[in-house]
Amino acid sequence: SQKIEQNSEALNIQEGKTATLTCNYTNYSPAYLQWYRQDPGRGPVFLLLIRENEKEKRKERLKVTFDTTLKQSLFHITASQPADSATYLCALDEGSSNTGKLIFGQGTTLQVKP
Amino acid sequence: SQTIHQWPATLVQPVGSPLSLECTVEGTSNPNLYWYRQAAGRGLQLLFYSVGIGQISSEVPQNLSASRPQDRQFILSSKKLLLSDSGFYLCAWRLNVGIGELFFGEGSRLTVL
Repeated sequence: SQKIEQNSEALNIQEGKTATLTCNYTNYSPAYLQWYRQDPGRGPVFLLLIRENEKEKRKERLKVTFDTTLKQSLFHITASQPADSATYLCALDEGSSNTGKLIFGQGTTLQVKP
Repeated sequence: SQTIHQWPATLVQPVGSPLSLECTVEGTSNPNLYWYRQAAGRGLQLLFYSVGIGQISSEVPQNLSASRPQDRQFILSSKKLLLSDSGFYLCAWRLNVGIGELFFGEGSRLTVL
């Protein structure tokens, strides 16, 4: 069956460290993968998109990698800050139709301690 | 610029009562529209999507329905709510061409008692 999995356990790190979140998928062939941030009681907000032919994408303190052989994406936040505390969701789209449907993982909650 | 409005933000309904959640998008034409549900501590589950007026695709069998009476209006309904319908409902839109991100509304928190 098709699955997209993120670490369900919360990730607790110290301010200034690099946070690394993992997204694994099975039985999908995504054309691209996206990462979102969700604060409690709010809708998710888009962060980054990476295509299947891209190995790495950066935006300020954020970095995403995409390994289609391992079927895995890693999301990194460098020099983390308490304001980075939130739930981070990965989502994939097989890109085979114009529906634009995204399938989401369950999210990983990040807690950055000062 | 584009905006998305979703309401009501919070509602408490008894089992067996009807439901209507509404979502409108401004600043764009012919968007793809989506309804997701998020149960407590869970990921987003896609319920319905629409690529045009009157065109609705259902992802998960349930007692919910969706309608798109106008280009930028998306409605989620139920005739009789179940306890299991409780959750956080999110409307989202994206452009109907190319690839790109979803833009989410602020969500509607439904509690069925």
